[in-house]
Amino acid sequence: SQTIHQWPATLVQPVGSPLSLECTVEGTSNPNLYWYRQAAGRGLQLLFYSVGIGQISSEVPQNLSASRPQDRQFILSSKKLLLSDSGFYLCALARKSPNSPLHFGNGTRLTVT
Amino acid sequence: AQRVTQPEKLLSVFKGAPVELKCNYSYSGSPELFWYVQYSRQRLQLLLRHISRESIKGFTADLNKGETSFHLKKPFAQEEDSAMYYCALGFDGGYQKVTFGIGTKLQVIP
Repeated sequence: SQTIHQWPATLVQPVGSPLSLECTVEGTSNPNLYWYRQAAGRGLQLLFYSVGIGQISSEVPQNLSASRPQDRQFILSSKKLLLSDSGFYLCALARKSPNSPLHFGNGTRLTVT
Repeated sequence: AQRVTQPEKLLSVFKGAPVELKCNYSYSGSPELFWYVQYSRQRLQLLLRHISRESIKGFTADLNKGETSFHLKKPFAQEEDSAMYYCALGFDGGYQKVTFGIGTKLQVIP
């Protein structure tokens, strides 16, 4: 079965510091991968998606970037964090087939101080 | 533009009462609709999808294209149903793009 590993579970970083959140998946090959940010009262906002190695698309302009160096690895990064980057970040995968649902990781709670 | 509307941020019902979580969508093409659930301290997970026409944990949802709705229903609420529920719209943007509603917190009162 598919498994998504996200770490760390929680992170506290000062403003201006860099960020690297990692997501790795198991049990599937060539999945679509996604980074979402979950905020209370605002639902889930899609940040980035990837259909393959090195292929990244951004949904919203922001202070973050994403990379996919390997088929089963998806990384969310920032060079300099802003206070507004605080939130709950979720990695998700989906198979490349119609009506395939999203499978989510446990998420990372990021607090920028 | 694709949009999912969940009008209620919080829905409180008594145990044994019927539950209806509302979801309306906006999409000009053929929609793929899902309900996701997040129980306390658990990851967000799929509850059901319209294509399967299934009942999961007593919940059902019918796609009404005329009203562009996909309401989630259960005849008798249970305490363990308390959770955050998200309606989601999937569509083909060259890959599986999914737009989520803001979510409805269901609180079942014992």
